[in-house]
Amino acid sequence: SQKIEQNSEALNIQEGKTATLTCNYTNYSPAYLQWYRQDPGRGPVFLLLIRENEKEKRKERLKVTFDTTLKQSLFHITASQPADSATYLCALEGSYIPTFGRGTSLIVHP
Amino acid sequence: KAGVTQTPRYLIKTRGQQVTLSCSPISGHRSVSWYQQTPGQGLQFLFEYFSETQRNKGNFPGRFSGRQFSNSRSEMNVSTLELGDSALYLCASSLAVNYGYTFGSGTRLTVV
Repeated sequence: SQKIEQNSEALNIQEGKTATLTCNYTNYSPAYLQWYRQDPGRGPVFLLLIRENEKEKRKERLKVTFDTTLKQSLFHITASQPADSATYLCALEGSYIPTFGRGTSLIVHP
Repeated sequence: KAGVTQTPRYLIKTRGQQVTLSCSPISGHRSVSWYQQTPGQGLQFLFEYFSETQRNKGNFPGRFSGRQFSNSRSEMNVSTLELGDSALYLCASSLAVNYGYTFGSGTRLTVV
């Protein structure tokens, strides 16, 4: 069955450093991969989408890579700030049905 | 522009009752999907509607149903509530499959 894995342990980093979050998947051939940010008690907020034929996408301090051979996506936040502290979810989409990972909590310490 | 609006924000129901949740998508978005989020299972897809038609359905029992109106507003209904239905129910709208989803703030349902 399709499986998406994100680190269940929280990622703790110091302000100013680069945070790197991982999303691995199996038994899936997604057309798109998306990353979302979720704050407690709120709905996820869309950050970036990358297509299967794209290797990398950037938006301001955010960068996403997508390796369909390794079946992995990396999500980077450069010059991280305490305001970046949240849970980050990856989502794979094939035919209109997105599958979300459980998310990784990022904590940026001042 | 206005985001995705979900009502109510909080709801407490008793086992065996039924509940209806409402979602107003972003203007112009014809796709509306619903999700259940729990600490144990994460974010799980319930169903998706496009132009008043259910286009996809997740792996949930028939007690979970939904519909979409001609103005793209959507409702979901859960009948014969069980304690395990306690969750954050999220609605998301989308312009197209490659534009990402805009989520509402959700309805927190507690079944007692």
